Amino acid sequence: DTGVSQDPRHKITKRGQNVTFRCDPISEHNRLYWYRQTLGQGPEFLTYFQNEAQLEKSRLLSDRFSAERPKGSFSTLEIQRTEQGDSAMYLCASSYTSGGVYEQYFGPGTRLTVT
Amino acid sequence: AQRVTQPEKLLSVFKGAPVELKCNYSYSGSPELFWYVQYSRQRLQLLLRHISRESIKGFTADLNKGETSFHLKKPFAQEEDSAMYYCALSGLRSGGSNYKLTFGKGTLLTVNP
Repeated sequence: DTGVSQDPRHKITKRGQNVTFRCDPISEHNRLYWYRQTLGQGPEFLTYFQNEAQLEKSRLLSDRFSAERPKGSFSTLEIQRTEQGDSAMYLCASSYTSGGVYEQYFGPGTRLTVT
Repeated sequence: AQRVTQPEKLLSVFKGAPVELKCNYSYSGSPELFWYVQYSRQRLQLLLRHISRESIKGFTADLNKGETSFHLKKPFAQEEDSAMYYCALSGLRSGGSNYKLTFGKGTLLTVNP
């Protein structure tokens, strides 16, 4: 296991198109998080899963965004009808927890450019 | 609401000089504070967390609840310390928990030879 992986690493799309990103967490981790990072900013929380349940969504996650984690393994983040403001680095992180706050391990990110 | 402020976007020091990266936070509950680091072309990784009170790569950080600060310090900076540093907060609400991280905007540290 080489850590959290994300695919693709880069995506260029035209405005109005749909895109889907994939995140594979560290295998024994039960929590999975999505963050978005724009230039000059720190990562901003979007949503997180505990196993297959999506427990919290940020107000940043508009109706055009949807995330899934079927079977509590990998996760997908879909953006419908992309806008130029969606251009950002999308980061995935995972952690194991049975109570308390545990370290989040980050993936390399998917850089989205909407033209 | 949770908020993390890193007042310096850029910090430049010479090798061997002390370095302090500032972090202030705002949270009404019981926070857990972290420092994450991102070296060039690498992914974001945890440097240290206040609850463990460890010294990692010579860095230390003390949580000051009175001043709501969690400054990162190192007495003698090395060139390999050059990186982007993010302070982050995870809030623990009473009667529940909130594991999401709220990050500051980051400080780019450059250690010159």
